[in-house]
Amino acid sequence: EAQVTQNPRYLITVTGKKLTVTCSQNMNHEYMSWYRQDPGLGLRQIYYSMNVEATDKGDVPEGYKVSRKEKRNFPLILESPSPNQTSLYFCASRRTAGNYGYTFGSGTRLTVV
Amino acid sequence: AQKVTQAQTEISVVEKEDVTLDCVYETRDTTYYLFWYKQPPSGELVFLIRRNSFDEQNEISGRYSWNFQKSTSSFNFTITASQVVDSAVYFCALRGPDSWGKLQFGAGTQVVVTP
Repeated sequence: EAQVTQNPRYLITVTGKKLTVTCSQNMNHEYMSWYRQDPGLGLRQIYYSMNVEATDKGDVPEGYKVSRKEKRNFPLILESPSPNQTSLYFCASRRTAGNYGYTFGSGTRLTVV
Repeated sequence: AQKVTQAQTEISVVEKEDVTLDCVYETRDTTYYLFWYKQPPSGELVFLIRRNSFDEQNEISGRYSWNFQKSTSSFNFTITASQVVDSAVYFCALRGPDSWGKLQFGAGTQVVVTP
């Protein structure tokens, strides 16, 4: 089944403790992206990647890092999480060429206390 | 800059009523793509429709219909004869022509359908 898999689905952590949210897709998509969802703001892009070793900032990159060492994986790294990073996170992927839609992961609900 | 406005924060209806969700967008691109997503209480994003800027045909899919009007930069979504299962947050989103383009989301509209 074609899908984007995020882990974990839920995570509660403490301020300053480094964490990684994994994202993996099995569709050989070039483009991958991370979004965060906050009430009243919709979803906002954090980082995106056009292909392996090609990443760039989105609208709200502060406090986050990403890497794209393999085409299928695009982990989101919070080096020193803070309470304002409490949010619902989505990973998405799509083909770069053509008018293709996005495939979203199931979301990761992160709480930083 | 691109912008998507969903002015309705929450809409409450009784089952079987029709409900229309407004979406107004801003873009300088002549080629762009519009999307609607549904987010049920379980939290995942469910793709509903994608529309290209050069295709202004309205679309109907079962109880769902979409009205795309470039003249008013609107892409409204109507649920006919609403059901409790339609209770969700609905997002309108816009993407430009570039292959690296992001999805610009609106704030979302919460639809509550009561029996």
